[in-house]
Amino acid sequence: GENVEQHPSTLSVQEGDSAVIKCTYSDSASNYFPWYKQELGKGPQLIIDIRSNVGEKKDQRIAVTLNKTAKHFSLHITETQPEDSAVYFCAARRELDKGRRALTFGSGTRLQVQP
Amino acid sequence: DTGVSQNPRHKITKRGQNVTFRCDPISEHNRLYWYRQTLGQGPEFLTYFQNEAQLEKSRLLSDRFSAERPKGSFSTLEIQRTEQGDSAMYLCASSSSGGDITDTQYFGPGTRLTVL
Repeated sequence: GENVEQHPSTLSVQEGDSAVIKCTYSDSASNYFPWYKQELGKGPQLIIDIRSNVGEKKDQRIAVTLNKTAKHFSLHITETQPEDSAVYFCAARRELDKGRRALTFGSGTRLQVQP
Repeated sequence: DTGVSQNPRHKITKRGQNVTFRCDPISEHNRLYWYRQTLGQGPEFLTYFQNEAQLEKSRLLSDRFSAERPKGSFSTLEIQRTEQGDSAMYLCASSSSGGDITDTQYFGPGTRLTVL
């Protein structure tokens, strides 16, 4: 089955700096990669996703890049703000695998933005 | 609020007791998922329904666990003879098979189970 590894497990940055979180996946058939943000006491919230026919996607201060050959994808947050502090999870899935809809998650990165 | 809702939010039980959790998905969503999240880890997939049919089950879903979605709307997850290792956050998510080709999963706030 799929295995997703995520690094680093914790990340502390100064407000205004950039943050980068990296994930690798094992199943070359995976073709959908969402990123979720989880705040204390809440469920994960989708912040951005990318499909394997796209190398990069950007939404305001957040961007995701995908390298299919190396089987890794990264989340980039620019101009970080204290409200970006949370746990971030990457995930992978075979998008068109009929009957199989499970997301496989990484172990999470706790991001702390110091004001 | 039209998001995914879960009840109860917290449950404390003694080892050996049975517990049941409820999930109400976003109203127009026909797919519903259960995940389990332990402290410091990412969510782990348990099972998924399309309408009332249970289409995928993880090996994590032992025979003490049973999930139902009888009318294709809300779902229940029951754990029988709870063990301390069952202590975790149980997350529900829903998605729609129509329109959104990425089948985005939207998560509820979770039910935190503590087994004493």
